[in-house]
Amino acid sequence: EVQLLESGGGLVQPGGSLRLSCAASGFPFSAYAMTWVRQGPGKGLEWVSAIIDSGGATFYADSVKGRFTISRDNSKNTLYLQMNSLRDDDTAVYFCARGRNAMSSVTIDNWGQGTLVTVSS
Amino acid sequence: QSALTQPASVSGSPGQSITISCTGTSSDVGGYKYVSWYQHHPGKAPKLMIYEVSNRPSGVSNRFSGSKSGNTASLTISGLQAEDEADYYCSSYTSSTTVLFGGGTKVTVL
Repeated sequence: EVQLLESGGGLVQPGGSLRLSCAASGFPFSAYAMTWVRQGPGKGLEWVSAIIDSGGATFYADSVKGRFTISRDNSKNTLYLQMNSLRDDDTAVYFCARGRNAMSSVTIDNWGQGTLVTVSS
Repeated sequence: QSALTQPASVSGSPGQSITISCTGTSSDVGGYKYVSWYQHHPGKAPKLMIYEVSNRPSGVSNRFSGSKSGNTASLTISGLQAEDEADYYCSSYTSSTTVLFGGGTKVTVL
């Protein structure tokens, strides 16, 4: 069974940093692209970032480009999202999700339960 | 980029069919076959219902079907059931090598 367990969320002040982690199990992690999607309070889903199986290519939404960094450690079956220069509108539940194949997470076939990030002074 | 356009809400009685639209541009929905649909019960993990416009993952009921015409994709739920009540989101690959979601549609079973 595919399991994706996010951690690292919490309360942070504007301008601060936070690193999210996603522990994957139940599938060959190194064979799949991975992605982060978020949902702000009362809002819809928003794609944030994606990374291919090897980590050799990464992709970002314009809203986070230059502030967030996605990475992965295939030896630890873990996906990360380093979030810097956080703003109020980054407040959201962040979902870790698996793409359907190695090179693309355009289609997401498994999702975690999410971790809440609150940016507030 | 603005979100893909979905109706805020759609409702139907048990047994009826409903259709949710998802409108984008030629740079996203109209330009690629990579349109997906997700069902989301609040507080739970979203679930993939349709991928690549009209493909159903194994385990998803055949009451769910997808299609696309021009810049608009559609999700149809036939034989509406109480368990179908949820939020539904479309997504599409874009020419900027990103993914764009729709604003979401709340489906209510009357």
